[in-house]
Amino acid sequence: GENVEQHPSTLSVQEGDSAVIKCTYSDSASNYFPWYKQELGKRPQLIIDIRSNVGEKKDQRIAVTLNKTAKHFSLHITETQPEDSAVYFCAGVPGGYQKVTFGTGTKLQVIP
Amino acid sequence: ETGVTQSPTHLIKTRGQQVTLRCSSQSGHNTVSWYQQALGQGPQFIFQYYREEENGRGNFPPRFSGLQFPNYSSELNVNALELDDSALYLCASSRESGAYEQYFGPGTRLTVT
Repeated sequence: GENVEQHPSTLSVQEGDSAVIKCTYSDSASNYFPWYKQELGKRPQLIIDIRSNVGEKKDQRIAVTLNKTAKHFSLHITETQPEDSAVYFCAGVPGGYQKVTFGTGTKLQVIP
Repeated sequence: ETGVTQSPTHLIKTRGQQVTLRCSSQSGHNTVSWYQQALGQGPQFIFQYYREEENGRGNFPPRFSGLQFPNYSSELNVNALELDDSALYLCASSRESGAYEQYFGPGTRLTVT
């Protein structure tokens, strides 16, 4: 089955700096890679996703890149703000059904 | 458009008991997935229901079972509760099975004593 590894487990950045979170996956059949943000005590919220036929996707301050050959994908947050502080999860989804395999999470702290 | 809802919000059960958790999918969605999220960890896939049929299962024992109803709402049943079952149980719905965006409910916090 799919195994998704995520690094780093914690990340502290100064407000305005960029943050990068990296994930690797094992199953070459995975073709959909969502990223979720989970604030303390709240539900995971989809913030961006990418499909395997695309190498990069951007939405305002958030971007995701995918390298299928190396089986890794990354989340980039620019101009970080205190409200970006949360736990971020990457995930991999194989084609066919929605068995989403989550990474272990990255706790991002943006210091004002 | 109504979002994903879950009930109850919190639940305390004793080891060996049985529990039923409920999820109402987002309007227009026919697929519901259930996840267990232990404290400080990522969600672990339990199973998925698509059009009232189980459509995939993670590494959970048979005492975790589910149902999906014609209106696409869903139940998660856990028998013979163990202390390690204490976790946040999340359901997520999507428009179809396959690589479609999932939207999570707020979760049910289950404590087993």
